[in-house]
Amino acid sequence: DADVTQTPRNRITKTGKRIMLECSQTKGHDRMYWYRQDPGLGLRLIYYSFDVKDINKGEISDGYSVSRQAQAKFSLSLESAIPNQTALYFCATSGGYNEQFFGPGTRLTVL
Amino acid sequence: AQSVAQPEDQVNVAEGNPLTVKCTYSVSGNPYLFWYVQYPNRGLQFLLKYITGDNLVKGSYGFEAEFNKSQTSFHLKKPSALVSDSALYFCAVRDTAFYNQGGKLIFGQGTELSVKP
Repeated sequence: DADVTQTPRNRITKTGKRIMLECSQTKGHDRMYWYRQDPGLGLRLIYYSFDVKDINKGEISDGYSVSRQAQAKFSLSLESAIPNQTALYFCATSGGYNEQFFGPGTRLTVL
Repeated sequence: AQSVAQPEDQVNVAEGNPLTVKCTYSVSGNPYLFWYVQYPNRGLQFLLKYITGDNLVKGSYGFEAEFNKSQTSFHLKKPSALVSDSALYFCAVRDTAFYNQGGKLIFGQGTELSVKP
């Protein structure tokens, strides 16, 4: 089984809908992250969490919210989706200063 | 401001030739540097990292990277490219503005590597 899983893998939705993307990890890491990837822009950090009680905004948090339900689970919500939130979304985990481990991604399309 | 730059959007190499994917960085303090690879429809996979020690770091799949402090560079290299190396490559640096918390990375925009037979 994969160490970092994301559901759903693909989602098409309409403008104004609320969407939740889920991430689970079995690596036992405290740190979890949500990124979005857009062509030519690399990965941009949306939110990050260094433990269950710690949530921090990244560089592009507007329009997004997160929930850290447990050490292993970190969910990203789009309260009212808009077309420019169409992107590839990645969850990642890390232990301390070490490398991050990424999930397979969720391709989100907002019509 | 802390940043990572990958000056080439695309690199084209013939199979069997050496390859270099360039990365420069700007951070305060000692850099922690990483390279990741992304194959189509997949997540990012860790290749290698530089934390301290030897300037030449060896990683997965025959890749290596050379840390150059004076040039603030961390170029990815491979002596002999394979067609299967074709992918999107990302350089990243740890955000030292969050030293006490650690772990937060700043990514470059990515370089598409194309290896032709």
